[in-house]
Amino acid sequence: DAGVIQSPRHEVTEMGQEVTLRCKPISGHDYLFWYRQTMMRGLELLIYFNNNVPIDDSGMPEDRFSAKMPNASFSTLKIQPSEPRDSAVYFCASRTTGLAGGNEQFFGPGTRLTVL
Amino acid sequence: QQPVQSPQAVILREGEDAVINCSSSKALYSVHWYRQKHGEAPVFLMILLKGGEQKGHDKISASFNEKKQQSSLYLTASQLSYSGTYFCGTGRGGSEKLVFGKGMKLTVNP
Repeated sequence: DAGVIQSPRHEVTEMGQEVTLRCKPISGHDYLFWYRQTMMRGLELLIYFNNNVPIDDSGMPEDRFSAKMPNASFSTLKIQPSEPRDSAVYFCASRTTGLAGGNEQFFGPGTRLTVL
Repeated sequence: QQPVQSPQAVILREGEDAVINCSSSKALYSVHWYRQKHGEAPVFLMILLKGGEQKGHDKISASFNEKKQQSSLYLTASQLSYSGTYFCGTGRGGSEKLVFGKGMKLTVNP
């Protein structure tokens, strides 16, 4: 089975441009998580969905960030306008419903974003 | 609240043991352990849910203390493939959210 798929794998853009990151979770998984990883702050949860509904977006840095999950097999994270401090690796992860808090998350390969 | 991991980095020779600690000031619902190799995604190792629980497979095991405020990951007879950064992710009741520590970088040399 395919794992979590993310695209693009690398993105280089200029400050002020819109960036869209994409994620396809593992089929049958009903939780989807977006993380950002930087050297300074480590791995931070931005937002997570359950059955396509956003449950907790308290980690979204500011209004420039938005995330959607229009169906069970696709999610996007959009940054508009992008800034150099948004440079990071963005991971998408998915998991199934099970014992509360007790299921592993499967991470995608990540998107390395560089904002110049 | 981000859990505190210690030590921050360790260098071992193949065959040596290591312990990685993960602490929180508040009681936790769960502790998840992941390993990430350079340039790759984090990979799941194990989850602990109950105070006093211990788990393990192969030569990697973990414990969760009775008060559920500290977990330790034990790497026995380390192999070169154990190199990477180890993260603990902590969960609170009522939410699926995990808060990850800053990680412990392990280097295993021949």
